[in-house]
Amino acid sequence: SQTIHQWPATLVQPVGSPLSLECTVEGTSNPNLYWYRQAAGRGLQLLFYSVGIGQISSEVPQNLSASRPQDRQFILSSKKLLLSDSGFYLCAWTASGTGGPTPFFGPGTRLTVL
Amino acid sequence: AQTVTQSQPEMSVQEAETVTLSCTYDTSENNYYLFWYKQPPSRQMILVIRQEAYKQQNATENRFSVNFQKAAKSFSLKISDSQLGDTAMYFCAFIHSGGSNYKLTFGKGTLLTVNP
Repeated sequence: SQTIHQWPATLVQPVGSPLSLECTVEGTSNPNLYWYRQAAGRGLQLLFYSVGIGQISSEVPQNLSASRPQDRQFILSSKKLLLSDSGFYLCAWTASGTGGPTPFFGPGTRLTVL
Repeated sequence: AQTVTQSQPEMSVQEAETVTLSCTYDTSENNYYLFWYKQPPSRQMILVIRQEAYKQQNATENRFSVNFQKAAKSFSLKISDSQLGDTAMYFCAFIHSGGSNYKLTFGKGTLLTVNP
């Protein structure tokens, strides 16, 4: 069966520090991958999505970037965090190909920027 | 551009009663999927129900069912026999199938409280 992992689960970082959040999917190949951010009590904002290695579509450029170095690995990065980057970050995957997409989510990373 | 609208920011229901959450969407495509997700206080996103646009029959999962009106672009969620554990944020979501548009778009959510 397929599983999706995110780490770290919780992160507290100072303003101006770098960021690296990792998402990996097991049990499938060539998934579509997504990064979302959720501010407290609010909806999900799509940040990036990827349909293959090295293929990244950006919805909210700002100071965040994403990379997909391997088929089942999706990384969210920043060189310098802002206070507004605080939030709950969710990674999701959907299967490509036949059968239709059903998105599944990882457990999330709670990021606090101080 | 595809959009998903949930017009009810908050709702409440008494335990054992029925509640309906609304969702409308906008797309020019014919082939797509619709979803309802539940997000409890743990913030884990849990898939509640899935509907394929080409199917006229409404999807059901135990106490959860949808009213899918394709022409009206409406996709409401009905929760029967509400339980305290149903208290959560509920999100409606949309994704195209096929083609080159893989964006998964969410509504802003409805906070449902089930009262004892």
